[in-house]
Amino acid sequence: GAVVSQHPSRVICKSGTSVKIECRSLDFQATTMFWYRQFPKQSLMLMATSNEGSKATYEQGVEKDKFLINHASLTLSTLTVTSAHPEDSSFYICSARVSGTTRNTIYFGEGSWLTVV
Amino acid sequence: AQSVTQPDIHITVSEGASLELRCNYSYGATPYLFWYVQSPGQGLQLLLKYFSGDTLVQGIKGFEAEFKRSQSSFNLRKPSVHWSDAAEYFCAVGAETGANNLFFGTGTRLTVIP
Repeated sequence: GAVVSQHPSRVICKSGTSVKIECRSLDFQATTMFWYRQFPKQSLMLMATSNEGSKATYEQGVEKDKFLINHASLTLSTLTVTSAHPEDSSFYICSARVSGTTRNTIYFGEGSWLTVV
Repeated sequence: AQSVTQPDIHITVSEGASLELRCNYSYGATPYLFWYVQSPGQGLQLLLKYFSGDTLVQGIKGFEAEFKRSQSSFNLRKPSVHWSDAAEYFCAVGAETGANNLFFGTGTRLTVIP
């Protein structure tokens, strides 16, 4: 089946620094990728929709200048958390939609745990 | 408005017992439905999906789900639960085509008692 890889799986960074999370579709092309955030004991919340070659579309309440999303190729999207604060500590998950199909099958990465200290 | 409701926040079952996780949805268009499982510290894995056709869908790990349009439900079932099934289960609804994202329920945490 389709595989989506996220890296790093766990990262600890100091408050005020930036951290980048990568999302790669390993065996398929993904025109569209999604970034989610999951708070403890809650469901996933969509942060932004990333389309290859264009600017990401952010959900209401998500700071686009803080959560920078780049989707430079059909197999890679990155999320950069800039000037991280402890409240940004969370579980971030990406997903990728298979390109060239009429069915909206979406595959998820394994997620990245971010801890800001 | 689109929404997914999973009424049970936490369910505990004994190993070997049957399981049913409830999911109700509200969606403006023809819904396409998914169940995902998330093991602790890991990402989501697709269990099964319903697009059209037979309303009883078979998935991985022995799970199945039944789409009932009249009840706006897509409940997940398993005849005999294994200890390794302990995880968080998410129901999601989306559109068949386009770049639409999925709408998730709040999840149901399954605990399996030996």
